[in-house]
Amino acid sequence: DIQMTQSPSSLSASVGDRVTITCRASQSISSYLNWYQQKPGKAPKLLIYAASSLQSGVPSRFSGSGSGTDFTLTISSLQPEDFATYYCQQSYSTLQSTFGGGTKVEIK
Amino acid sequence: EVQLVESGGGLVQPGGSLRLSCAASGFTVSSNYMSWVRQAPGKGLEWVSVIYSGGSTYYADSVKGRFTISRDNSKNTLYLQMNSLRAEDTAVYYCARVATNDAFDIWGQGTMVTVSS
Repeated sequence: DIQMTQSPSSLSASVGDRVTITCRASQSISSYLNWYQQKPGKAPKLLIYAASSLQSGVPSRFSGSGSGTDFTLTISSLQPEDFATYYCQQSYSTLQSTFGGGTKVEIK
Repeated sequence: EVQLVESGGGLVQPGGSLRLSCAASGFTVSSNYMSWVRQAPGKGLEWVSVIYSGGSTYYADSVKGRFTISRDNSKNTLYLQMNSLRAEDTAVYYCARVATNDAFDIWGQGTMVTVSS
């Protein structure tokens, strides 16, 4: 199975900060990497697919980059509604998909 | 409106069975890949199973041989039959549509399964 490792597991930031979350795959997954946002008690929401494509309706302050094994989710200017947990997911192998452990973004 | 609505969760004893349902509206289940994802209390997301539009099915090692994913095309509904349940299966279970780009673009609201005596 492909293992996905996210870092950090949590971070504290202020409104307006630039935030970067990293995801590393245990083997090359090309650009088959997706990012999700989850708020407490809610279902995950797709933010970025194929490593860098913005899902319809998602604010442009969210961006993704990377390929192969190393990927990044960036929030250019953190907004109050962005405090949540973020997960990466590899879809290189749809018959054994895997998620990263999550990164909780908290208010400083 | 495109949406998924899960049902069927509840409290079950270890070794018991439960069937989850996921009713779709606004799109056709049988024309899409569909997945189940679960989240144990306070933990991260864990992929459980997928059914392809052609009918092939795949499972996480943690549930293989105990869970079965299926669909009813006439009801436009996805199912997850869960047998031999264990305490570690306790989680919120989400169904999700797999988009053509292989990302999970539509999610249900989730249904809670608690395995406890």
